[in-house]
Formats: sequence, C-alpha cells, structure tokens
Amino acid sequence: GQQVMQIPQYQHVQEGEDFTTYCNSSTTLSNIQWYKQRPGGHPVFLIQLVKSGEVKKQKRLTFQFGEAKKNSSLHITATQTTDVGTYFCAGLAAGNKLTFGGGTRVLVKP
Amino acid sequence: NAGVTQTPKFQVLKTGQSMTLQCAQDMNHEYMSWYRQDPGMGLRLIHYSVGAGITDQGEVPNGYNVSRSTTEDFPLRLLSAAPSQTSVYFCASSGPGAWGTQYFGPGTRLLVL
Repeated sequence: GQQVMQIPQYQHVQEGEDFTTYCNSSTTLSNIQWYKQRPGGHPVFLIQLVKSGEVKKQKRLTFQFGEAKKNSSLHITATQTTDVGTYFCAGLAAGNKLTFGGGTRVLVKP
Repeated sequence: NAGVTQTPKFQVLKTGQSMTLQCAQDMNHEYMSWYRQDPGMGLRLIHYSVGAGITDQGEVPNGYNVSRSTTEDFPLRLLSAAPSQTSVYFCASSGPGAWGTQYFGPGTRLLVL
C-alpha cells in the first residue's frame, strides 16, 4: 500500500537558524497536506499543495511539492520557539485514502 | 462553532472492558474519520465515514467498530480493550471531499491496563 515517509524524525534547531523537513511518498500523489501539532495538542492544517513544482509560503514557512509529485518539503527560516511541535505531511494518491507520514518533531534551543 | 469535539479526554480501561469514544462536529461535514496516534508512527486511519449510514475501514480497523446514524456524530467502539489499543485517538471531519482539510478534535488519551 501507499507509504509516506518523513525525515528527519527529530530536529533540534538553534533559535534563529533555518531547517528543512522532507516528505517522500512511494506513489505519485494527487495532493499533499501539511499539519502542525503542538505538544499536547491536536494536528492543525497548515497548507495543501496540488500542482507539480508548486511552492507556497506562509510567513517564515515555505512548502514545496516535487516535480514528480512524490515528495515535498517544509522549510522554516529563522526558527522561533513558537515553531516547536510535530510537523506531519499527509499524501493523497488517486483511489487511496489520506496517508500521514510519521512526523518530524521539532525542538528549539533558545 | 465548537468544531470537532471528543469525549472523554482521558480514559483508563482494564483489558477486556468495552467503551465508546464520542465524536461530534457542528460544521455539517459529510466526511468523518478516526485516527490513532502512536509515538513515531504518525496518524493511522482506523475507520471513516462518507455520510450518515456509510462507513468503511481504514488502515488499522481490527478491534474497533463504528456507526454513523447522523451527520454530526461518529462514535468509535472498542468491544474488548487490549493493551495494544493504548494510544491517543483523534476524530476528524472534512469537507468538501473525503480527503480534503482534516479538522481534528482535541483527542482522547486511552490507557489499557
């Protein structure tokens, strides 16, 4: 079945630095969604990417969908303590259900 | 709007006990889903529903039952709890489309002893 992998599983970041988390699917996707879950909270939708090569920005967050629509990335610039949490990607392939990756847990060192 | 609500927030069960996790949404979404979250494994789909009276299995359905008698409610039943069902359970609704933006409830943390 469809698999979605995220790397790294953990990311320790110094406050003010940039980092990127990656999402890879075993199958071509119709779209990919990103969610953020704060510690002790529930996942909250961030964005959806649909087009090949699409890039979307939300303030310091940049989301990219690969040309082959099998991978995606989330890049955060100038990390802040408010960025702490787990970031999940979720991929939808034609005829399948939404499949979540294992998440990247982000810890910020002040 | 309250969005998606779940009860209880926490529950401790003994092996073999049964219970129902409640989920309700007030967004008039047709689609609702149940996920479980375990460390390092992301969110795995248990069951989902595309409308009242229609349910289907997800990735990890064994040990769980669901029904959907109304648009608003989508309860998850554990018939005979097992320690392997210790997890955090999230209910979500979505619309339009079954696999559009997922709106998650606050979750139920379940411990099975």
